[in-house]
Formats: sequence, C-alpha cells, structure tokens
Amino acid sequence: NAGVTQTPKFQVLKTGQSMTLQCAQDMNHEYMSWYRQDPGMGLRLIHYSVGAGITDQGEVPNGYNVSRSTTEDFPLRLLSAAPSQTSVYFCASRRTSSYNEQFFGPGTRLTVL
Amino acid sequence: GQQLNQSPQSMFIQEGEDVSMNCTSSSIFNTWLWYKQDPGEGPVLLIALYKAGELTSNGRLTAQFGITRKDSFLNISASIPSDVGIYFCAGQRDNYGQNFVFGPGTRLSVLP
Repeated sequence: NAGVTQTPKFQVLKTGQSMTLQCAQDMNHEYMSWYRQDPGMGLRLIHYSVGAGITDQGEVPNGYNVSRSTTEDFPLRLLSAAPSQTSVYFCASRRTSSYNEQFFGPGTRLTVL
Repeated sequence: GQQLNQSPQSMFIQEGEDVSMNCTSSSIFNTWLWYKQDPGEGPVLLIALYKAGELTSNGRLTAQFGITRKDSFLNISASIPSDVGIYFCAGQRDNYGQNFVFGPGTRLSVLP
C-alpha cells in the first residue's frame, strides 16, 4: 500500500490564482481530512469527510473548498489564493471505527506571493 | 476555538537522557494521540490512549492518559539522535464529531 499520497510536494502561487491540492489513499478509509500547519500553531483542521459525498467544515475552512466523489480521493481547492494561505498542508485518513489511528500524507508546502 | 498546550515548547538534551513532555487542556478529552514529525514529513502516530489513567508503551516511549482527562504525558527513555523531531499531542472530544485538535508541538533536539 502507498498509504496517503499528496501532490504536489511544493507549489508557489501568485495572489488570486487558483489551484487544487491532491490527496489520495489506498487503505479504503472512510474518513479523510485536510490540515494546515503554521509555525507554533500545530495542525488546524480545514475540512473533513466521513465518506464519499459527505464533507464538512473544520476549524479554518474559509478560502478552501473540498469535494469527495470517491472513497480514495479528497482534493482541496483554493479558489483565489491569498498570502495568508502560505502554509504546509497535510491530508490524513483513517477508519471510522472506535480506534482512531490517523495516517498523514507527506505534505504540500504552499507559498502565496 | 479549542486549544491544547504543550510544554516544553522546545528542549535540548544529551544523548542517553530521558525526556518528559506534557499536553494540557481546559477541556476533557476521551482520546489522546501522540505523533512525531520529522523534517519535511507528515506526522507519524506513536501512541494512542483511550482510557483515563491508561499507561501505554511503545519501545522506549511511554505515554499516559491523565486521570482528569485534561492532560497527557509522553516520556522517552535513553534518547538517541533519531528521536530528534517535533512531538505533537492530539485530543478528541465527544462533542467535536470525529475530529482531533492538535497541540503546537514540542521540538526535541538531541546532542551527541
């Protein structure tokens, strides 16, 4: 199994540009989520999904959209990038059982100029 | 929003020393997780705790779920250079769906 994969690994955008961060998992996990990591602030939840066709907002959803058309994929869209969205983005997945072992992808480092 | 505090924020230790760090909250949690993050990588789960008072080990790592359910502790014995990284705690609450809140991390440096 490849686990959780993310692309791209690095990205530089100009203010106002749009892009999609890709996330895929091959573990048949129901639950997937997106976090952003900023210095000194740990990981903050952006959006999450408990299954295909179901998404919900996390702690910091503004400026981001998600969709979950398949169990495997959970892309994160920035419609109009802003410098405040410069961060490292992590995708994670797990089963929705009582044991919450969450697996993370390697991250995407995004810089918005 | 919800918040977890971790201390210390960073620490420098000599190889072979034991390490202790903790995670606290003003809210009660029903699950605690401890992760380690290496530079340029995603967090990797070290230990999961599901019951107040639970003490769980993973090799040289031992973590405890505080009896108040508002804190958790992680100890590393006989540190080695590969222990270097950022250690995060994460907690889950009953009324926060299936989501976790993360602490800001403890950055560990091991001096040879």
